[in-house]
Amino acid sequence: GENVEQHPSTLSVQEGDSAVIKCTYSDSASNYFPWYKQELGKRPQLIIDIRSNVGEKKDQRIAVTLNKTAKHFSLHITETQPEDSAVYFCAALNFGNEKLTFGTGTRLTIIP
Amino acid sequence: ETGVTQSPTHLIKTRGQQVTLRCSSQSGHNTVSWYQQALGQGPQFIFQYYREEENGRGNFPPRFSGLQFPNYSSELNVNALELDDSALYLCASSYGLAGGNEQFFGPGTRLTVL
Repeated sequence: GENVEQHPSTLSVQEGDSAVIKCTYSDSASNYFPWYKQELGKRPQLIIDIRSNVGEKKDQRIAVTLNKTAKHFSLHITETQPEDSAVYFCAALNFGNEKLTFGTGTRLTIIP
Repeated sequence: ETGVTQSPTHLIKTRGQQVTLRCSSQSGHNTVSWYQQALGQGPQFIFQYYREEENGRGNFPPRFSGLQFPNYSSELNVNALELDDSALYLCASSYGLAGGNEQFFGPGTRLTVL
């Protein structure tokens, strides 16, 4: 089955700097890659996603890049703000089996 | 449009007991997926229901079972509870099986097994 690895497990950045979180996946058939943000005690919320026919997607301060050959994808957050502090999860899904496999999470702390 | 809701919010059980968790899907959604999230870990896929049929299952034993009702709400049942079953149980609803449809998560049920 699919295995998703996520790094780093914790990340601290100064407010205004950029943050990058990286994930690798094992199943070459995976073709959908969402990123979720989970604040303490709250539900995961989708912040951005990318499909395998696209190499990069951007939404304001958030961008995701995908390298299908290397089987890795990354989340980039620019101009970080205190409200970006949360745990971020990457995930991968194969349209054929609908099973969403999550990474282990990255705890992002923005230092004011 | 109402969001995904789950009940109860918290639950405490003892080893060997059985538990039923409930999920109401978002209006217009016909697919419900269940996940187990242990402390400090990412959610682990348990199974998915689409139009009242199980459509995929993760690496969980048969004592984890589920149902989906005609109104697309869903239940997760766990028999013979073990200490390791202590976790946050999340359900997520989406529309259809086109793949890559956004899954909207509920607030979760925190289960503690003593």
